[in-house]
Amino acid sequence: ILNVEQSPQSLHVQEGDSTNFTCSFPSSNFYALHWYRWETAKSPEALFVMTLNGDEKKKGRISATLNTKEGYSYLYIKGSQPEDSATYLCAFTQGGSEKLVFGKGTKLTVNP
Amino acid sequence: EAGVVQSPRYKIIEKKQPVAFWCNPISGHNTLYWYRQNLGQGPELLIRYENEEAVDDSQLPKDRFSAERLKGVDSTLKIQPAELGDSAVYLCASSLGTSGRTDTQYFGPGTRLTVL
Repeated sequence: ILNVEQSPQSLHVQEGDSTNFTCSFPSSNFYALHWYRWETAKSPEALFVMTLNGDEKKKGRISATLNTKEGYSYLYIKGSQPEDSATYLCAFTQGGSEKLVFGKGTKLTVNP
Repeated sequence: EAGVVQSPRYKIIEKKQPVAFWCNPISGHNTLYWYRQNLGQGPELLIRYENEEAVDDSQLPKDRFSAERLKGVDSTLKIQPAELGDSAVYLCASSLGTSGRTDTQYFGPGTRLTVL
């Protein structure tokens, strides 16, 4: 059974703070790692897809890194804003499977 | 470009009743996915279609769940009869290609089902 762990489960920060969360996944037979943002009452929105060890991706104030050898990815948000409040989900795939396996998510609340 | 459309957004039913969810993917997207998200969990794949063919339905509880994707466009997911444990958010997603591993999946807003 594949297990994707996300930590922390929830996080409260003040506007302007920078923050980061972790996604851990099995390192064997890794294929790709996806990050999604899911705001309440909206659709999950794709942020990044990463495949190579050492990959770094950036979208505005949000960036992500990938370490496939040790099986983790970090998501960073610089200067958090209230509109960043959402649940951030990571999902992982292995070679030989077309299936995304999601973590439970990290719920971020940014207080103004 | 319109996103993935799902209806209804919310549904409350009594146990043992049937229920159906509808999904219209992004135009031109060949692959369609149905996920279920239980409270406190991540989404779990129920079924994946490439065009009109169900290529992975291994996680679909076939005794009570059924799905179809006629003409390779819209899709319907049905539960009959519903049980209390079916209360969840049902998400539909679509992607342009057929690689579930690397293609970006575009999600609809989901249907929140409550079974009483």
